[in-house]
Amino acid sequence: EIVMTQSPATLSVSPGERATLSCRASQSISINLAWYQQKPGQPPRLLIYEASTRATGVPPRFSGSGSETEFTLTISGLQSEDFAVYYCQQYSDWPPRTFGQGTRVEIK
Amino acid sequence: QVQLVQSGAEVKKPESSVKVSCKASGGLRFAINWVRQAPGQGLEWMGGIIPLVGTTNYAQQFQGRITITADKSSNTVYMQLSGLTAEDTAYYYCAGTGNWFDPWGQGTLVTVSS
Repeated sequence: EIVMTQSPATLSVSPGERATLSCRASQSISINLAWYQQKPGQPPRLLIYEASTRATGVPPRFSGSGSETEFTLTISGLQSEDFAVYYCQQYSDWPPRTFGQGTRVEIK
Repeated sequence: QVQLVQSGAEVKKPESSVKVSCKASGGLRFAINWVRQAPGQGLEWMGGIIPLVGTTNYAQQFQGRITITADKSSNTVYMQLSGLTAEDTAYYYCAGTGNWFDPWGQGTLVTVSS
């Protein structure tokens, strides 16, 4: 099973600043990685797939990068609606599909 | 645009079973997965089905307790989980496609309590 590890667990950022979230895979997954945003009381929302492709309707301030085992989600110019929990997920291997434990982006 | 609509909240006794449904508008043209989230916790993939061929895959920790089925006539996928314990109290989500997950259902809260 591929283990996904996200860091940090919590990120405190001021509105307008940049947030950088990390996700590491326990073995190479090429670019088979997705990122999700989840707000309280809502299901997750797909942001990025194939490590760097934005899903439909996702603003360009969200960008993904990386390959193999190291991945980054960058949110440039954080807006109030961006404070949420973010998860990475690998789809290189299954079963199972696996998620990271999440990074909470909170207002500083 | 495809939407997934799930059945309503359930309260179950320990050792019982629950069956949650997920109806897809526009047909079952892609894989459907089930992901659960315990209160305040992260996301856990449970299993998935490719309705057109009936192929299923389950996470090892649910093997023997989970059954995912599809009714193509009603465009509905079902997830049944048996042997419930308090640790199964969670939101259960269906999600489309087999690689990245999009769209998602609204979630079904299953509470296991005596």
